[in-house]
Amino acid sequence: DAMVIQNPRYQVTQFGKPVTLSCSQTLNHNVMYWYQQKSSQAPKLLFHYYDKDFNNEADTPDNFQSRRPNTSFCFLDIRSPGLGDAAMYLCATSWDGANTGELFFGEGSRLTVL
Amino acid sequence: SQQGEEDPQALSIQEGENATMNCSYKTSINNLQWYRQNSGRGLVHLILIRSNEREKHSGRLRVTLDTSKKSSSLLITASRAADTASYFCANSRTGTASKLTFGTGTRLQVTL
Repeated sequence: DAMVIQNPRYQVTQFGKPVTLSCSQTLNHNVMYWYQQKSSQAPKLLFHYYDKDFNNEADTPDNFQSRRPNTSFCFLDIRSPGLGDAAMYLCATSWDGANTGELFFGEGSRLTVL
Repeated sequence: SQQGEEDPQALSIQEGENATMNCSYKTSINNLQWYRQNSGRGLVHLILIRSNEREKHSGRLRVTLDTSKKSSSLLITASRAADTASYFCANSRTGTASKLTFGTGTRLQVTL
């Protein structure tokens, strides 16, 4: 059974049109992450939540926002997508952070910007 | 960049051969983790090795860690076509409790 579920799997948007990607988890994990992965590159951490505490990476553009309304759900909002934002967006969870254990990933949401 | 480097970037072997991938990182770590990613899919955790461990095994996987050289290796023995995927190392840096930073990855192709 899928434990980290991302929707949609594929999203096509127009330049500048806002997009929201969602992630839900059935693991009751404390930490949720959003990574951006461009073609043939390493996943790059955008931000993460430890419970309700939001942690933004210093180089994450302001165009990217996130919400975590409850333990199970986390959203990635891209306010004005540019061509350079086309990528796979990966959601992951961990019980207590990467220093104590593994991350569990969803299947990803692939974003295309026209 | 705090990203780790992996070597080689791409590796092509025949079924039954062993595959070795190397990973280097830059700072002190809590642990180092290896993940696998099939094309267009999410990442799947393979193995975690803590900073006070030197070697770990899981099935056909063997991971080593040398903290003095800031390097790790992943060995896949008796490879199968189904092992074809990208493999990433990732480190949890000391002082950054929740974060995991990924290396550049090795693309493994196993042919029949």
